[in-house]
Amino acid sequence: EVQLLESGGGLVQSGGSLRLSCVVSGFTFSSFVMSWVRQIPGKGLEWVSGISGTGGTTYYADSVKGRFTISRDNSKNTLYLQMNSLRADDTAVYFCARHAAGMGDAFDIWGQGTMVTVSS
Amino acid sequence: QPVLTQPTSLSASPGASARFTCTLRSGISVDTYRIFWYQQKPGSLPRYLLRYKSDSDKQQGSGVPSRFSGSKDASTNAGLLLISGLQSEDEADYYCAIWYTSTWVFGGGTKMTVL
Repeated sequence: EVQLLESGGGLVQSGGSLRLSCVVSGFTFSSFVMSWVRQIPGKGLEWVSGISGTGGTTYYADSVKGRFTISRDNSKNTLYLQMNSLRADDTAVYFCARHAAGMGDAFDIWGQGTMVTVSS
Repeated sequence: QPVLTQPTSLSASPGASARFTCTLRSGISVDTYRIFWYQQKPGSLPRYLLRYKSDSDKQQGSGVPSRFSGSKDASTNAGLLLISGLQSEDEADYYCAIWYTSTWVFGGGTKMTVL
């Protein structure tokens, strides 16, 4: 069974840092592009960042560029999101998501999400 | 002006059809991009429904019923999600998305109410 399981969310003060993890199972992790997508509860979806299968290519939304870093450890089947200089408007549920094929293809599998709350 | 604009809400009766629009910003042609559609029911994860660029470049998500289909309206520069034979279980938020200038952009979502 394909599974994505996020962890690392929590309450942090404005200006602080958090590192999210997404452990995957049920598929060959290194073969798939991955992304982080966030959602303020009750609001819409916002893509945050994406990374190629090897980790050699990364993409960021303008809203997080320079503050967040995406990475992956294919030996551990784990995707990461290092979040620094956190702001109140980063408060959201963060989902990891698998792309069906390349970076421009559908998000076909989603994790359950982990809540990040940034207090101002 | 946002890259993708969706109506906030849509309502229809069971058994009827629903037409969701996703309008691309002026200068961004609907003919150029694959438009992806996602469904999110309350308290659930987003689910990939389908993508549509043209009749020769389209894909149905795994397990998605054929009553969900994609199209486009070039005259309004909009991608379309069509649902026929509406069911109560189709009540959800529907999001469109495109891969645009090396970033993913989502529309604001349309809340579907099945009356």
